[in-house]
Amino acid sequence: DTAVSQTPKYLVTQMGNDKSIKCEQNLGHDTMYWYKQDSKKFLKIMFSYNNKELIINETVPNRFSPKSPDKAHLNLHINSLELGDSAVYFCASSQVTGYQETQYFGPGTRLLVL
Amino acid sequence: DAKTTQPPSMDCAEGRAANLPCNHSTISGNEYVYWYRQIHSQGPQYIIHGLKNNETNEMASLIITEDRKSSTLILPHATLRDTAVYYCIVRVRGSQGNLIFGKGTKLSVKP
Repeated sequence: DTAVSQTPKYLVTQMGNDKSIKCEQNLGHDTMYWYKQDSKKFLKIMFSYNNKELIINETVPNRFSPKSPDKAHLNLHINSLELGDSAVYFCASSQVTGYQETQYFGPGTRLLVL
Repeated sequence: DAKTTQPPSMDCAEGRAANLPCNHSTISGNEYVYWYRQIHSQGPQYIIHGLKNNETNEMASLIITEDRKSSTLILPHATLRDTAVYYCIVRVRGSQGNLIFGKGTKLSVKP
């Protein structure tokens, strides 16, 4: 069973379009994240949700809107796509157990904006 | 979270031990050392973590110096599938939140 899954795996679209990426985790975790990995391979946090509540929003344009319908899902909607949005987007989930927290990442969604 | 420093790249012969160093000289007493890796085109993968004692699991061993200012991740018998970028991350004990990824070490395992 896949712990953290994302759809689609690849997304090619034109500038100005609106698109969504979906993420689901079956680990029962309370917290989910969206990270962006750009062409230089830097991984940076975008958003974090805990029990469906937004807890981190890292200077991301408001064209990006995360939505968490329930604890197991965190979707990312992007309006008016720009060339610079081309990147790999990773979803992750985690739960603190004792004093330890491990994050589990999805396989990534490769977005190419033309 | 304390800052970490890693060499940008390392090579290792297949079947030999890969020793990946990490400096975290500003680490505080309540911070853990975590290691993740990212194999090409995949999501990051948790490897191991520790506070002050050496740790071992099925993937790797983690050796933390007595002063806790540096650590070494050891892959005892590296395989070609271990070729990846390895990230050393320091996190406050019990914290939950985004991981701050640096540039990591690109490990190339060669036949």
